[in-house]
Amino acid sequence: SAVISQKPSRDICQRGTSLTIQCQVDSQVTMMFWYRQQPGQSLTLIATANQGSEATYESGFVIDKFPISRPNLTFSTLTVSNMSPEDSSIYLCSVLLEGAYGYTFGSGTRLTVV
Amino acid sequence: QKEVEQNSGPLSVPEGAIASLNCTYSDRGSQSFFWYRQYSGKSPELIMSIYSNGDKEDGRFTAQLNKASQYVSLLIRDSQPSDSATYLCAVGGSNYKLTFGKGTLLTVNP
Repeated sequence: SAVISQKPSRDICQRGTSLTIQCQVDSQVTMMFWYRQQPGQSLTLIATANQGSEATYESGFVIDKFPISRPNLTFSTLTVSNMSPEDSSIYLCSVLLEGAYGYTFGSGTRLTVV
Repeated sequence: QKEVEQNSGPLSVPEGAIASLNCTYSDRGSQSFFWYRQYSGKSPELIMSIYSNGDKEDGRFTAQLNKASQYVSLLIRDSQPSDSATYLCAVGGSNYKLTFGKGTLLTVNP
């Protein structure tokens, strides 16, 4: 089965700085999704990243805060900008692999902002 | 606002028993339904998907869907301590986006 690599796996960052999270899939996928999971909470969709077009953001999430790149069909990045402690969460990428019967998640990035 | 509701639990069952997890959703246009298992500190792992009314069985797991009642459930037979995790219900629409419930914490006691 396809592998999704996400990095970094964890980071501790100073408030006001930015962190870029990478998601690499070993097969081509049309859509990649970025989620946030705050402590003790479920997953919330941040945006959908399609290759060749602007990412589509969900209500409550904006491009200036969470810019996304999707340069090709196997790779995407999510940047968390101007971080505050409220951004401390697990960030996950997800894809729908061809032939799969459901969405697969990367291993996640555990972000702590101090 | 699409909503997916789950009992937060914790649900505690003895080893070997049947665990029953339930989920309701608000959007009647939903087309795909998934159950994910998430161990503490890990990312969600897909265990079942279901798209049409009725039951779908895979090993010890059975997913049940009733679109008229907007209800989906997961039964785990012969529960094992290794099944102890948070189970997330996710519902998808025509736009491929998933809405997740808050999850039910299951504890299987040896």
